[in-house]
Amino acid sequence: DAGVIQSPRHEVTEMGQEVTLRCKPISGHNSLFWYRQTMMRGLELLIYFNNNVPIDDSGMPEDRFSAKMPNASFSTLKIQPSEPRDSAVYFCASSLASGGGGQPQHFGDGTRLSIL
Amino acid sequence: DQQVKQNSPSLSVQEGRISILNCDYTNSMFDYFLWYKKYPAEGPTFLISISSIKDKNEDGRFTVFLNKSAKHLSLHIVPSQPGDSAVYFCAAILRGNEKLTFGTGTRLTIIP
Repeated sequence: DAGVIQSPRHEVTEMGQEVTLRCKPISGHNSLFWYRQTMMRGLELLIYFNNNVPIDDSGMPEDRFSAKMPNASFSTLKIQPSEPRDSAVYFCASSLASGGGGQPQHFGDGTRLSIL
Repeated sequence: DQQVKQNSPSLSVQEGRISILNCDYTNSMFDYFLWYKKYPAEGPTFLISISSIKDKNEDGRFTVFLNKSAKHLSLHIVPSQPGDSAVYFCAAILRGNEKLTFGTGTRLTIIP
């Protein structure tokens, strides 16, 4: 079975450029999560969607970051304009949320982003 | 404010022995706890979870223990194998929520 697919795996770009990260969740999963991992802050949740609707974006650092989920099989995380401090590994995860909670999230292999 | 803490950044264990990874939390409203394993250049992989109403959950070589009064959980791996060498993250979920709050991770090295 295909897991969560993220693209690109690596992105190197110059400060000020727009960056778009992409994610395809596991088919049938109804929740999607974007995380960022840095040495200083570890793994932190940026935003999550349930049934394509953003539920909690309190982790989005600032207005330069935006995320969309136009359908159940695709999501993007966009940074515009990018800054060197945005350099990190960005993970996408999906889960089949149920009312009882505790469903494990399944992660993609991440996008390593470097802003020069 | 770090609500989920893994105080040991690294741990080395002899192959075949027991590995014990520890995690402490501060929020008594956490409802589920999960352990993830991460290899370099890969995403975290779910290992095992436990509900706050239980004190133990076992899956093969992996057992998670929860002590609610101490706000402490641990992951036991026995016997440890070389393939267990990875970074292990503890995570917690609040009741009625889906947000995972992660600890900072513990790097486990299994010595052959």
